[in-house]
Amino acid sequence: DSGVTQTPKHLITATGQRVTLRCSPRSGDLSVYWYQQSLDQGLQFLIQYYNGEERAKGNILERFSAQQFPDLHSELNLSSLELGDSALYFCASSVEGAATQYFGPGTRLTVL
Amino acid sequence: KNEVEQSPQNLTAQEGEFITINCSYSVGISALHWLQQHPGGGIVSLFMLSSGKKKHGRLIATINIQEKHSSLHITASHPRDSAVYICAVRKGAQKLVFGQGTRLTINP
Repeated sequence: DSGVTQTPKHLITATGQRVTLRCSPRSGDLSVYWYQQSLDQGLQFLIQYYNGEERAKGNILERFSAQQFPDLHSELNLSSLELGDSALYFCASSVEGAATQYFGPGTRLTVL
Repeated sequence: KNEVEQSPQNLTAQEGEFITINCSYSVGISALHWLQQHPGGGIVSLFMLSSGKKKHGRLIATINIQEKHSSLHITASHPRDSAVYICAVRKGAQKLVFGQGTRLTINP
């Protein structure tokens, strides 16, 4: 158990819908990262927050947004969902940007 | 060409064999990570290294910064080592770029 929690574990929704994925980092970790793992693209970095502020951005679509709240939990919002958004979404946390990252169990999103 | 290339893509071996998984990268990095992804999907960070060699139990990771190459070795492999092993490089302070993974199967 990494200490990082993600909810929900599974999510099935329809095209065009909007969903919110939630992540609680390990106690004491200030950095939260979001990753997408799809069958054809592998793991890709989406976005990082540090202590409530956006720190780095990767291949995140404009339809996706994220935020980190004062209690350090983070949410990833995915809107206007497409079939290609079906993937495993991982959250990871670390003490700071250069430290070892601890991964959550992931949320499996299926868009029908 | 991907910035991070792993080889082999798939590896099947017998229990007890010495395993080597390779990772080559083409960009400047601040650190390299080795991750293990279990069949159920969970990801565990095995090593983070920026130079030299690290060892944890039966796992050894090495990196050669000049040659832009890293290897992950598993000694006395066991069926429970069966997983996907992923190399990731950190560009700058935060962003991780991932290899495509190596699927390892250890047969009893």
